[in-house]
Amino acid sequence: GDSVTQMEGPVTLSEEAFLTINCTYTATGYPSLFWYVQYPGEGLQLLLKATKADDKGSNKGFEATYRKETTSFHLEKGSVQVSDSAVYFCALVTSGSARQLTFGSGTQLTVLP
Amino acid sequence: EAGVAQSPRYKIIEKRQSVAFWCNPISGHATLYWYQQILGQGPKLLIQFQNNGVVDDSQLPKDRFSAERLKGVDSTLKIQPAKLEDSAVYLCASSITGASSYEQYFGPGTRLTVT
Repeated sequence: GDSVTQMEGPVTLSEEAFLTINCTYTATGYPSLFWYVQYPGEGLQLLLKATKADDKGSNKGFEATYRKETTSFHLEKGSVQVSDSAVYFCALVTSGSARQLTFGSGTQLTVLP
Repeated sequence: EAGVAQSPRYKIIEKRQSVAFWCNPISGHATLYWYQQILGQGPKLLIQFQNNGVVDDSQLPKDRFSAERLKGVDSTLKIQPAKLEDSAVYLCASSITGASSYEQYFGPGTRLTVT
């Protein structure tokens, strides 16, 4: 079945540091890939997405590139802020899955001032 | 546009009691999902509806969990009787059927504590 493996957390960075959160996937079909973010006390929000190989999703300074050859979708940001502190989830959907999201286990990010 | 609404936001019950959660999806979204998110894990799909029909409930523990979406709009998820391991956040999400982006919109969740 489909699965998503995320970098173990928690991750603690200083403000303005570079962020990478690794995500790899296994899928039987041709997936669309997503990063969701969950701020404290709030629901999951879509951060960015990519629907085909070599697509780059971007939003709020975050980027991730769909790499089919390495089955990866790593999340990056050049300079993190305290307000980026949240839990980040990598997820996928395949066309044969009735559009059901398969999530990774999440990575807790804390950014210190 | 109003988002996905859920209530209550928090619930504490004793084991063997029953509990119900309510979800109102975004207007016009035909597909509705219930997820269980245990602390430290990603959300796990419990049940998916399209309009008032069940698309997938293969991961719903049917001996104690039930869900309905009678008029194809809002939905309730019930647990009876609750067990300690049911302590989790229960998330509701909705999406537009047929959308190519597969994007789902999530509510704030209901945090259930079973003591």
